[in-house]
Amino acid sequence: DGGITQSPKYLFRKEGQNVTLSCEQNLNHDAMYWYRQDPGQGLRLIYYSQIVNDFQKGDIAEGYSVSREKKESFPLTVTSAQKNPTAFYLCASSISRSSNYGYTFGSGTRLTVV
Amino acid sequence: AQKVTQAQTEISVVEKEDVTLDCVYETRDTTYYLFWYKQPPSGELVFLIRRNSFDEQNEISGRYSWNFQKSTSSFNFTITASQVVDSAVYFCALSEPSSGGSYIPTFGRGTSLIVHP
Repeated sequence: DGGITQSPKYLFRKEGQNVTLSCEQNLNHDAMYWYRQDPGQGLRLIYYSQIVNDFQKGDIAEGYSVSREKKESFPLTVTSAQKNPTAFYLCASSISRSSNYGYTFGSGTRLTVV
Repeated sequence: AQKVTQAQTEISVVEKEDVTLDCVYETRDTTYYLFWYKQPPSGELVFLIRRNSFDEQNEISGRYSWNFQKSTSSFNFTITASQVVDSAVYFCALSEPSSGGSYIPTFGRGTSLIVHP
């Protein structure tokens, strides 16, 4: 079955550490997105990528970095510069940059700073 | 100002009641798309419906129905005869063209629906 796989499901980070969240899709979608979800805040866009080797900042990109070396993969690194990283992170994809047929989401990674 | 407003933070109903989730959006574009997603406790968002700005027909899918009114910039979602399995957080989203021509969705803050047996 096609879909998006996010790993790990739960992640714990010590203050000052960088951590990388994995997002892999086998849908052959061109566009991929990272969202952060906090209670009562809805989903906020961190980064998005419309094609390989290209990505754009979203509304809350500070303290995060991404790469898009392969079409199937869009990992998100939460750096030590992100002061409040505890949140639920969702990866999504769509067929293309102009696609409005909907977005497919992964099951998320819950990151906690300890 | 929020582009997508879901004023109801949490709604609690008893099974078999009908419930309407409100969504009000703001855009200057004439071409845009609206979505509803369901987020069960497992966390993954599930696509429910997509509607483009030129199609104001209401839609019914089983117990779900959607009322799109451009005059009031609203895209409300009604669940008829609610069931416990409907308990989830529901998100409304607006997708409009960005400066680069891409469509990037903006989500509301979500409405948590709790259906009691």
